[in-house]
Amino acid sequence: GDSVTQMEGPVTLSEEAFLTINCTYTATGYPSLFWYVQYPGEGLQLLLKATKADDKGSNKGFEATYRKETTSFHLEKGSVQVSDSAVYFCALSSMDSSYKLIFGSGTRLLVRP
Amino acid sequence: DAGVIQSPRHEVTEMGQEVTLRCKPISGHNSLFWYRQTMMRGLELLIYFNNNVPIDDSGMPEDRFSAKMPNASFSTLKIQPSEPRDSAVYFCASTPDSTSYNEQFFGPGTRLTVL
Repeated sequence: GDSVTQMEGPVTLSEEAFLTINCTYTATGYPSLFWYVQYPGEGLQLLLKATKADDKGSNKGFEATYRKETTSFHLEKGSVQVSDSAVYFCALSSMDSSYKLIFGSGTRLLVRP
Repeated sequence: DAGVIQSPRHEVTEMGQEVTLRCKPISGHNSLFWYRQTMMRGLELLIYFNNNVPIDDSGMPEDRFSAKMPNASFSTLKIQPSEPRDSAVYFCASTPDSTSYNEQFFGPGTRLTVL
């Protein structure tokens, strides 16, 4: 079945550092890909998404490009802030999975001042 | 606009007691999802509804768990009897239509502690 694998955390960075969180997926069809973010004590919220190959999703300085050839959707940000400290979830949705969201295990990011 | 509303935000109960978690989806959304989040197992989909009808309950851990959606604006997740291993954060999410690639909107969660 469909699945998502993302890098283990926690990832600890200093403010203004470059961020990459790796995400790869396995899917039989043509999924849409998502990054959700969960701030402490809150529910998940959509950060960005991409619906087809080579699409780039972007929001709040974060970017991720849908790479079909490498089945990846890595999250990047050029300069992180303390306020970016959260847990980041990569997810996919496909017709084969009845459009349910299949989540990765989450990666905790801690940004230090 | 009000988002997904969950109540209570925190629940502490003793083993063996009945627990009911409540969710009000975003108005106009046709699909509702219940998730459980723990450190050990991460985020798990328990059940989801489309137009108030349960579509997939394969994630419900056992018969102690039940969920209902009597109308488009209300859903409950009940655990009877509760056990310490049910301690987790339970999230409700809604989406306009589960038959497409739509964003799911999550509530703030209910943190359940079973002593």
